[in-house]
Amino acid sequence: DGGITQSPKYLFRKEGQNVTLSCEQNLNHDAMYWYRQDPGQGLRLIYYSQIVNDFQKGDIAEGYSVSREKKESFPLTVTSAQKNPTAFYLCASAQTSSGNTIYFGEGSWLTVV
Amino acid sequence: GIQVEQSPPDLILQEGANSTLRCNFSDSVNNLQWFHQNPWGQLINLFYIPSGTKQNGRLSATTVATERYSLLYISSSQTTDSGVYFCAVNTGGFKTIFGAGTRLFVKA
Repeated sequence: DGGITQSPKYLFRKEGQNVTLSCEQNLNHDAMYWYRQDPGQGLRLIYYSQIVNDFQKGDIAEGYSVSREKKESFPLTVTSAQKNPTAFYLCASAQTSSGNTIYFGEGSWLTVV
Repeated sequence: GIQVEQSPPDLILQEGANSTLRCNFSDSVNNLQWFHQNPWGQLINLFYIPSGTKQNGRLSATTVATERYSLLYISSSQTTDSGVYFCAVNTGGFKTIFGAGTRLFVKA
């Protein structure tokens, strides 16, 4: 099936540890995105990537890092510098040739204790 | 940057009722999408509708690009319609901006 796969779905980490969230897509989309959602809130853009080996900061990039070594993969690392990392993280992808219609993975719940 | 405002923020309906959700945006857009976030957090694409009207079953959407708003209509609501409805816009670049959402609860 075509789609966007995020893993793990649930993750618990101790404060001060880095954690990496995986995002893989087999839709052959050029653009990929990471959003953060806090309880009861909307989506905020962390990072996005238009092509391989290129990515841009979104609105809340501090404390996060990404890489785009392959078209289908866009992992997000939540570093110890992120002050409030507990949140729901959503990965998305879009094909720019079709109006940038965006599709989402199922999300990853990160809890830092 | 572009501002996206959704109303109402919260909505409670009796099963079977109809509703209209609104999305206002502050600048021209080349893409507008409506999403439904279910209670498990998954975001489901409802419509890609930069202009005009589309229908899919009990749901329909209309975007009036010249007046910078979009409406999502839900008819004969069901409990499974509960969740959060997001409007998202793109102004031609790679950034898609989301509204704060409308939280819908449909009572049985």
